[in-house]
Amino acid sequence: ETGVTQTPRHLVMGMTNKKSLKCEQHLGHNAMYWYKQSAKKPLELMFVYNFKEQTENNSVPSRFSPECPNSSHLFLHLHTLQPEDSALYLCASSQVSGGYNSPLHFGNGTRLTVT
Amino acid sequence: RKEVEQDPGPFNVPEGATVAFNCTYSNSASQSFFWYRQDCRKEPKLLMSVYSSGNEDGRFTAQLNRASQYISLLIRDSKLSDSATYLCVVIQYDAGGTSYGKLTFGQGTILTVHP
Repeated sequence: ETGVTQTPRHLVMGMTNKKSLKCEQHLGHNAMYWYKQSAKKPLELMFVYNFKEQTENNSVPSRFSPECPNSSHLFLHLHTLQPEDSALYLCASSQVSGGYNSPLHFGNGTRLTVT
Repeated sequence: RKEVEQDPGPFNVPEGATVAFNCTYSNSASQSFFWYRQDCRKEPKLLMSVYSSGNEDGRFTAQLNRASQYISLLIRDSKLSDSATYLCVVIQYDAGGTSYGKLTFGQGTILTVHP
């Protein structure tokens, strides 16, 4: 299934590095999301973009910086991360219309390890 | 009380067994409900939406109990391939809130089906 694609699949970075995660959706959706999934914890919503506008930032540290250049692409720029930021980062998209949200479709995630 | 709560399990059942999971939610304004399954080290994938009248998809039956504020997932004739983590998702649409609503994931219930 290629509805939502994420790259890279795996990323190992040092605390002083700068890297970016990329997400692309081919479903024609108008909302995109970044989630963080750590071991034994529920999915944590980080950012939401609706019609390319950032509408939610769930108290995420500034070392995570999202970018949404158009409704199909979403980036997460990373810099000076901490080891506790190691997790699975999931991108998702959905269609919002008539005041309701469709189910989210997830990308296959980027497994990030900060050393 | 957590907004969305699931019994983390694990549930260990033999092939062919019937197993049921519940997911309770705290906000009575919640309006959309979904079940996802997540395989080890993979992204969550939509299993089924949950409709007010209950719905069935093959061996899977989803039900909503608004009075008691929970949704359930019943799996009949369990297969080895059903082994996964099952996540419930609850969406609330509040007046004055965002059009995409507030999405809350449960922490997941682990199911292991053994031969």
